[in-house]
Amino acid sequence: GAGVSQSPSNKVTEKGKDVELRCDPISGHTALYWYRQRLGQGLEFLIYFQGNSAPDKSGLPSDRFSAERTGESVSTLTIQRTQQEDSAVYLCASSPTGTGHQPQHFGDGTRLSIL
Amino acid sequence: GENVEQHPSTLSVQEGDSAVIKCTYSDSASNYFPWYKQELGKGPQLIIDIRSNVGEKKDQRIAVTLNKTAKHFSLHITETQPEDSAVYFCAASRGSYIPTFGRGTSLIVHP
Repeated sequence: GAGVSQSPSNKVTEKGKDVELRCDPISGHTALYWYRQRLGQGLEFLIYFQGNSAPDKSGLPSDRFSAERTGESVSTLTIQRTQQEDSAVYLCASSPTGTGHQPQHFGDGTRLSIL
Repeated sequence: GENVEQHPSTLSVQEGDSAVIKCTYSDSASNYFPWYKQELGKGPQLIIDIRSNVGEKKDQRIAVTLNKTAKHFSLHITETQPEDSAVYFCAASRGSYIPTFGRGTSLIVHP
């Protein structure tokens, strides 16, 4: 079956531009997570969705970052006025119900490079 | 909140040797402990998990042990192969809380 799909796989953009990253979770998964992974580093939690609501936005690093989810399916992470420090791999994961007792299924990420 | 520490950050072994990665956690209420393997250019993938009512779980060459009293859990890989080379992450979670990840261990298996 289809896993978590992220697009684009790579994005190169100039500093100051806005970018949108897309995540298609596994069908039927109500929980969706975004993480940031800098080169050679661990997973930095950004935001969690349960259905279309985001009960935990605590990881968003600044107000330039926002995310939404529609139809309890697709999610987009938007970064406005990008800066070089935003360069990283952005990973999306989903799980069936988000109870914390279930594994997360990760996509292969979007590699974002800010020139 | 939960804090997960993972050691070592890098582990180099010869093919056929065993590898052990250890994690400690701080929240005694944590009750679910997954391990993920991340290959270069890919997202992390679950390789094994354990729940707090179990002390050990095995799947072929991979095993995980959990000591709730000491609040630590470990990943054991036996008969390592070059394809085991990757970054491994542990995590701990409870209830509806967001899982907390360790910082990762880069495992290098030399042929």
